[in-house]
Amino acid sequence: DAGVIQSPRHEVTEMGQEVTLRCKPISGHNSLFWYRQTMMRGLELLIYFNNNVPIDDSGMPEDRFSAKMPNASFSTLKIQPSEPRDSAVYFCASSLLSFNYGYTFGSGTRLTVV
Amino acid sequence: AQKVTQAQTEISVVEKEDVTLDCVYETRDTTYYLFWYKQPPSGELVFLIRRNSFDEQNEISGRYSWNFQKSTSSFNFTITASQVVDSAVYFCALSGLTGANSKLTFGKGITLSVRP
Repeated sequence: DAGVIQSPRHEVTEMGQEVTLRCKPISGHNSLFWYRQTMMRGLELLIYFNNNVPIDDSGMPEDRFSAKMPNASFSTLKIQPSEPRDSAVYFCASSLLSFNYGYTFGSGTRLTVV
Repeated sequence: AQKVTQAQTEISVVEKEDVTLDCVYETRDTTYYLFWYKQPPSGELVFLIRRNSFDEQNEISGRYSWNFQKSTSSFNFTITASQVVDSAVYFCALSGLTGANSKLTFGKGITLSVRP
């Protein structure tokens, strides 16, 4: 089992550019979560999907952020246009909610917007 | 709404000391899960334990132990005979079973430094 795979591990981009973060959940997991970690706000949930359907996107900070899950094995989080305050570590996690409620996190993407 | 409070922000101990990390939670759900995660300096989130709300038995795993007390809504974590490798940020988290509450809600984390 390769675990939850996130790419890229690090991303440095200029303000105003589009950024796309990618996540491959564990095969068989039916839920996927995007979290953002900053010093000021800690770990906060941005959005989560169940069976590829967005269930709760109340944590998405503004319209510049969008997330998709076109199939059970892939999700993207897009920021357009990016701003310096978006600099953070973005984690993806997956879970089989109907079974054991374990949440497995990816290694995270460290985003720096300059 | 769910809430997790980790009142301690930073703890520093000398190696071999015991240390307890506190966690208090709030939820209206009758069934829920509690978690502890470790985030070492390398940055990944490492799962340590999951406990459901119906199981109040304390758990021990090597030098780690957890004390779940529903009456005080607490789920405290004790490291016995701490080691330098235990230095990390530790997060307590809570999730419900259905709908919007099935997400993980994290506390702010406790930074533990173990000095040689």
